[in-house]
Amino acid sequence: DTAVSQTPKYLVTQMGNDKSIKCEQNLGHDTMYWYKQDSKKFLKIMFSYNNKELIINETVPNRFSPKSPDKAHLNLHINSLELGDSAVYFCASSLAFSNYEQYFGPGTRLTVT
Amino acid sequence: GNSVTQMEGPVTLSEEAFLTINCTYTATGYPSLFWYVQYPGEGLQLLLKATKADDKGSNKGFEATYRKETTSFHLEKGSVQVSDSAVYFCALSDAGGTSYGKLTFGQGTILTVHP
Repeated sequence: DTAVSQTPKYLVTQMGNDKSIKCEQNLGHDTMYWYKQDSKKFLKIMFSYNNKELIINETVPNRFSPKSPDKAHLNLHINSLELGDSAVYFCASSLAFSNYEQYFGPGTRLTVT
Repeated sequence: GNSVTQMEGPVTLSEEAFLTINCTYTATGYPSLFWYVQYPGEGLQLLLKATKADDKGSNKGFEATYRKETTSFHLEKGSVQVSDSAVYFCALSDAGGTSYGKLTFGQGTILTVHP
């Protein structure tokens, strides 16, 4: 069974569109994260939820809106997509938000044309 | 704020060579330190971790020791294999303040091992 899954794996869309990426974990973890990996492989935290509550909100354009319907799911909705949004987006989860190992999903490669 | 600096890549080695990837960090609290590996086309996997000073993390022949005095967590392997070719990320997690355990990553080091 996949521990952290993301859909879709690839997403190609045009500028100005709105798209969503979904993440699910079956590990029973309380904390979930979204990271962005740019073309140079640099990884940066975007958001984190603990038990459906937002606890980390880095400097991210407000076109990005995370939603956690329950603690096993964390979705990322992006409005008015721009070329610079092209990246790989990784979801991760951990037991709690205090220095625990994070388990990563396979990533979603978003390409904006 | 917290930061992690890794040695510049890419690193190219022959099979059975010795590997060192340097990693130094800056943190305000008492972080845990991690090495993650990303194989081509895949997500990140935890390779090893250390949660306090002088701890040694080890896995699959890789080792790293948490050195508080030099703020370092260098990754080593005595004999690399072609299958070790991947991107390696050093990271820290600090539960203090408003960090909430988020991972701060180094820039990644691409390792290529030739037969």
